[in-house]
Amino acid sequence: GNSVTQMEGPVTLSEEAFLTINCTYTATGYPSLFWYVQYPGEGLQLLLKATKADDKGSNKGFEATYRKETTSFHLEKGSVQVSDSAVYFCALRPLAGNTGKLIFGQGTTLQVKP
Amino acid sequence: DVKVTQSSRYLVKRTGEKVFLECVQDMDHENMFWYRQDPGLGLRLIYFSYDVKMKEKGDIPEGYSVSREKKERFSLILESASTNQTSMYLCASSFWGDAAEAFFGQGTRLTVV
Repeated sequence: GNSVTQMEGPVTLSEEAFLTINCTYTATGYPSLFWYVQYPGEGLQLLLKATKADDKGSNKGFEATYRKETTSFHLEKGSVQVSDSAVYFCALRPLAGNTGKLIFGQGTTLQVKP
Repeated sequence: DVKVTQSSRYLVKRTGEKVFLECVQDMDHENMFWYRQDPGLGLRLIYFSYDVKMKEKGDIPEGYSVSREKKERFSLILESASTNQTSMYLCASSFWGDAAEAFFGQGTRLTVV
């Protein structure tokens, strides 16, 4: 079946540190991949996406590259800020059957300290 | 701006009550979703709908039903609320298409006592 696995949190970093949040997936065919972010007290919002192998999604200094060979979509940022503190969700939309379903990982909480 | 509006931010209901959670979107999206969010479990899909009156079960449909009579509105129904349905419920909508972004409401925190 289709599934998404993220690294467990919380991840605690100092401001300006380098961030990596790991995400791997299992899917039939070539799914589209997404990172969503949830700031405290808010709903989820799209951070970035990639729709085919070797695509790189980027937004607000965050990047993730669609790696078919390792079935991964790791999120990175070169220098985190306190305002990046949030929960990050990796998600996929399977192409097989393309029912529009979005499947999420368990989320990774990021805490950035000044 | 796209808006997905959930009718309540917080709800407290008693065990055995029938509970309605309402969601409205203003972007003419074909797809609408109901998820529940629990710590350590992420978002789990309860039901989704890809057209008016059309629905498909997600991963955890037991104890829930849905209704979509109009394109903009998607209701989640807890037939007989139980304490293990205490959770955060998130509604989302999107256009059809593999790369389509989903837009989320702010969530309803439901407590069943």
